[in-house]
Amino acid sequence: ETGVTQSPTHLIKTRGQQVTLRCSSQSGHNTVSWYQQALGQGPQFIFQYYREEENGRGNFPPRFSGLQFPNYSSELNVNALELDDSALYLCASSPSMWSYNEQFFGPGTRLTVL
Amino acid sequence: SQQGEEDPQALSIQEGENATMNCSYKTSINNLQWYRQNSGRGLVHLILIRSNEREKHSGRLRVTLDTSKKSSSLLITASRAADTASYFCATDGGNDYKLSFGAGTTVTVRA
Repeated sequence: ETGVTQSPTHLIKTRGQQVTLRCSSQSGHNTVSWYQQALGQGPQFIFQYYREEENGRGNFPPRFSGLQFPNYSSELNVNALELDDSALYLCASSPSMWSYNEQFFGPGTRLTVL
Repeated sequence: SQQGEEDPQALSIQEGENATMNCSYKTSINNLQWYRQNSGRGLVHLILIRSNEREKHSGRLRVTLDTSKKSSSLLITASRAADTASYFCATDGGNDYKLSFGAGTTVTVRA
């Protein structure tokens, strides 16, 4: 059974650029959630995708968008990068969208915006 | 904003001692989960407790939940160096799908 993987591991961008982060969910999981974790903080929910549809969204602006593909892998896109977007971005997969499921996290992508 | 708040922010203990950390939350929940994170990497699920449960055990972990006080505690017994990590509580805030994490408790276990 393959765990959750994310790419790239690290990324450096400049203000105003766009970035795409990728996540492969665990085998058999149809739900992916994305989180932003600033240094010294807990993860903040960005959005969740269930069977290729956005199922819920946290308090993030529209320049944060995502996709989920038929194989349930997912992308997080961030446009017009700001310095405050520097953070660890985590994706988590689960066997269904319900909160009682354990979420399986990937190792994260460390994004630095200069 | 974060639904859960862990206390203390940081904890340093000797190997073999017990570590206790608390989580308080603001709204009603269906369940509460605890996760561990090593050195800014991905989180690992430790235990889930449902709103109708008061206590749950898993190996050296003991979790309690008091819904009247909107609080939970995580006890790690006989701590080991490998327990050095940040610990987060996560609640669903009564939602069916969204998890809200606290800021975490950083635990350091000294050899």
